[in-house]
Amino acid sequence: QTVVTQEPSLTVSPGGTVTLTCASSTGAVTLGHYPNWFQQKPGQAPRSLIYSTGTKHSWTPARFSGSLLGDKAVLTLSGVLPEDEADYYCLLYYGGARMFGGGTKLTVL
Amino acid sequence: QVQLVQSGSELKKPGASVKVSCQASGYRFNTFAMNWVRQAPGQGLEWMGWINTDTGNPTYAQGFAGRFVFSLDTSVSTAYLQITSLQAEDTAVYFCARGDGSCTSGSCFYGYWGRGTLVTVSS
Repeated sequence: QTVVTQEPSLTVSPGGTVTLTCASSTGAVTLGHYPNWFQQKPGQAPRSLIYSTGTKHSWTPARFSGSLLGDKAVLTLSGVLPEDEADYYCLLYYGGARMFGGGTKLTVL
Repeated sequence: QVQLVQSGSELKKPGASVKVSCQASGYRFNTFAMNWVRQAPGQGLEWMGWINTDTGNPTYAQGFAGRFVFSLDTSVSTAYLQITSLQAEDTAVYFCARGDGSCTSGSCFYGYWGRGTLVTVSS
């Protein structure tokens, strides 16, 4: 059973920088996993931020970026705003199947 | 503009069935895949699978084959999720999400989502 692992929670100060990671139990996360990142606020549908590792949508704020670091996919937020407080999920591709990570609850404090 | 409008909340008894709809507008329905995602109360997201809106071919994630069925009515640009033999553990919000890009390979992204349909299973 494949498992995608994220930090359960992280705290960052306004204006700071935080890195969220996404790991796969099958080994290193690669470009072939086409990592996607989503933001979800309470009571709302998820919103796509990043796809195919580091590609942004037109609506993705510039302070969000995605990449691979070591054996993980990462989402970096630079210059964090209070409105970035939310749950963040990664999604990985496994040759036809896709799997979400457990999510990271980001607190801005 | 692209919109995915989902049907309203449902309250069902164990053993019953439910059919959730997701009506698309603002684009040509059969040119983008439709994905389904489950979120149990207070829990994370689960990718349930997707349906090719051109061929009608569904792909189910592990754990969602059998009681969960994806279908289409292209005449009304609507995708459906039917769940049979409902169990308490099926209580969740179910989201539809449009799959953009090449969803038959990995390069798929999910830019448009429905607001979700809450299905509650309780006796």
